[in-house]
Amino acid sequence: GDSVTQMEGPVTLSEEAFLTINCTYTATGYPSLFWYVQYPGEGLQLLLKATKADDKGSNKGFEATYRKETTSFHLEKGSVQVSDSAVYFCALRGTPLVFGKGTRLSVIA
Amino acid sequence: KAGVTQTPRYLIKTRGQQVTLSCSPISGHRSVSWYQQTPGQGLQFLFEYFSETQRNKGNFPGRFSGRQFSNSRSEMNVSTLELGDSALYLCASSGTSGAHQETQYFGPGTRLLVL
Repeated sequence: GDSVTQMEGPVTLSEEAFLTINCTYTATGYPSLFWYVQYPGEGLQLLLKATKADDKGSNKGFEATYRKETTSFHLEKGSVQVSDSAVYFCALRGTPLVFGKGTRLSVIA
Repeated sequence: KAGVTQTPRYLIKTRGQQVTLSCSPISGHRSVSWYQQTPGQGLQFLFEYFSETQRNKGNFPGRFSGRQFSNSRSEMNVSTLELGDSALYLCASSGTSGAHQETQYFGPGTRLLVL
């Protein structure tokens, strides 16, 4: 069945560091791919998405490119801020939505 | 447009009791899905409703049930609560055409504590 694998956390970075969170998937066909973010005590917010191969999703300085050759959708940000501290989930649009286990990011000033 | 709303936000119950959680989707959305989030199991799919019909169901016991009303609002019910039902319950809605059909938008969740 469909599955998503993302890097284990936690990830701790200093402010202004470069962020990469790896995500790979296994799926039939080419489903839409998503990154969701969960801040402490809140639900999931859609961060960005890509609906087909080679699409790049971007939002709030975060980017991810849908790579069908490597079945990957890695999340990147050039300069993280303390306010980016949260848990990040990679997901693919199967039936139902299939999530990775989440990666906790802590950014220290 | 208002987002997905869930009530109540927090709930404390005792073992053996039952609980009903409510979800109001984004206006115009007809699909509502429910997920359970726990530290140990992560995000697990409970069920999905579309136009008042259950379309998909996850691997949860029959104590977990849900329904959807004609205005797309949804409720989920857990009967005979167990300690392991303590979790954050998330509701998500999605539309019926184009990109909306694929993207799920989540509410803030209901945090249930079973004592």
